[in-house]
Amino acid sequence: QKEVEQDPGPLSVPEGAIVSLNCTYSNSAFQYFMWYRQYSRKGPELLMYTYSSGNKEDGRFTAQVDKSSKYISLFIRDSQPSDSATYLCAMSAGWSSGSARQLTFGSGTQLTVLP
Amino acid sequence: KAGVTQTPRYLIKTRGQQVTLSCSPISGHRSVSWYQQTPGQGLQFLFEYFSETQRNKGNFPGRFSGRQFSNSRSEMNVSTLELGDSALYLCASSLVLRGTRSNTEAFFGQGTRLTVV
Repeated sequence: QKEVEQDPGPLSVPEGAIVSLNCTYSNSAFQYFMWYRQYSRKGPELLMYTYSSGNKEDGRFTAQVDKSSKYISLFIRDSQPSDSATYLCAMSAGWSSGSARQLTFGSGTQLTVLP
Repeated sequence: KAGVTQTPRYLIKTRGQQVTLSCSPISGHRSVSWYQQTPGQGLQFLFEYFSETQRNKGNFPGRFSGRQFSNSRSEMNVSTLELGDSALYLCASSLVLRGTRSNTEAFFGQGTRLTVV
């Protein structure tokens, strides 16, 4: 079983829809949680960065972390065709783990927003 | 502010050859990590360098190596290339805050696409 599980999709939604992307994980040492967006043939672009449990909002994006359930989510409101990309969740443990700054990624969800 | 720069963007190599990839981190970032991305395995951690020392290493064979220079620029080397080494190699840089043990965001470059034939 992988440390981080992510539904690969593909996910197709109409423009303006609310998109929900999710990841589950098994390593309780993870403390930092990220969402990256990757366009075809490009490097991952950091969207959201959160520490521990809670919610964080940035424009149309909201990240949620529930450490008790080992579950993280990314919500995209008013989705646009330009949001069409692969979304990757990533996590890392803290300094005490000995592997600080090592990111463990989900497999990515391919999202298409239809105009 | 310039982002993470990786060179070259594309490479084609023959089996058995070796290759060196370069990464220049964001100015002021002292940590550089390398990742391999393939359709089958996704993004996998190779190693991380901080203050010219390898701090952490993923589960890859010894053919994969790296180094970091005093200006934080990093190189990754793959020797005796195999067909399975064909991948997008990504470099990420992070700001390491002095006097704190908090992680900070990792920013990726555009990657080097390596094709082994």
